[in-house]
Amino acid sequence: GENVEQHPSTLSVQEGDSAVIKCTYSDSASNYFPWYKQELGKRPQLIIDIRSNVGEKKDQRIAVTLNKTAKHFSLHITETQPEDSAVYFCAASSPSGTYKYIFGTGTRLKVLA
Amino acid sequence: DADVTQTPRNRITKTGKRIMLECSQTKGHDRMYWYRQDPGLGLRLIYYSFDVKDINKGEISDGYSVSRQAQAKFSLSLESAIPNQTALYFCATSDFVTGELFFGEGSRLTVL
Repeated sequence: GENVEQHPSTLSVQEGDSAVIKCTYSDSASNYFPWYKQELGKRPQLIIDIRSNVGEKKDQRIAVTLNKTAKHFSLHITETQPEDSAVYFCAASSPSGTYKYIFGTGTRLKVLA
Repeated sequence: DADVTQTPRNRITKTGKRIMLECSQTKGHDRMYWYRQDPGLGLRLIYYSFDVKDINKGEISDGYSVSRQAQAKFSLSLESAIPNQTALYFCATSDFVTGELFFGEGSRLTVL
């Protein structure tokens, strides 16, 4: 069945350093890849997304890259700040275009001041 | 602000009891979802509905049922709750154009 793997499960970085979270997906028909941030005790919220016709997308300190051939995509956070500490989830829409999302297992990011 | 509202926010129940979690939304979205969150397992899809007459099973539908009473309302039921259904449950809607998921605040269910 459809599957999304996410690594690492936990990540600690020093404030100001970069953080990278990686995901792989199994359904080659997937064409939409969002990233959600969940702060402690809060609901997940979309922070950035990418569609299969684009290789990279940036929004200030965050960026997402997509390699369709390898079926993996990554979230990059530069100049990390304490408020970036949260759980991050990747997701893939499957099957193509119907917005039935399959999520990764999450990465708990800790930014150390 | 348009939002997704879940009730109850917290519920403690006993094994074998019937439980209903309710979700209502004012976003005007046709697509609604129920997810379950467990530590280390991420968000797993239970059921989803793309309109009032459309109900689909997700990854982990066994032991759950749903009802789409109206475009704005999507309920999740546990007919006979068991302890391994203890989890945080999220309702969500999605925007047809952008695909963005909007989550409710979550319903924490504990089955003793």
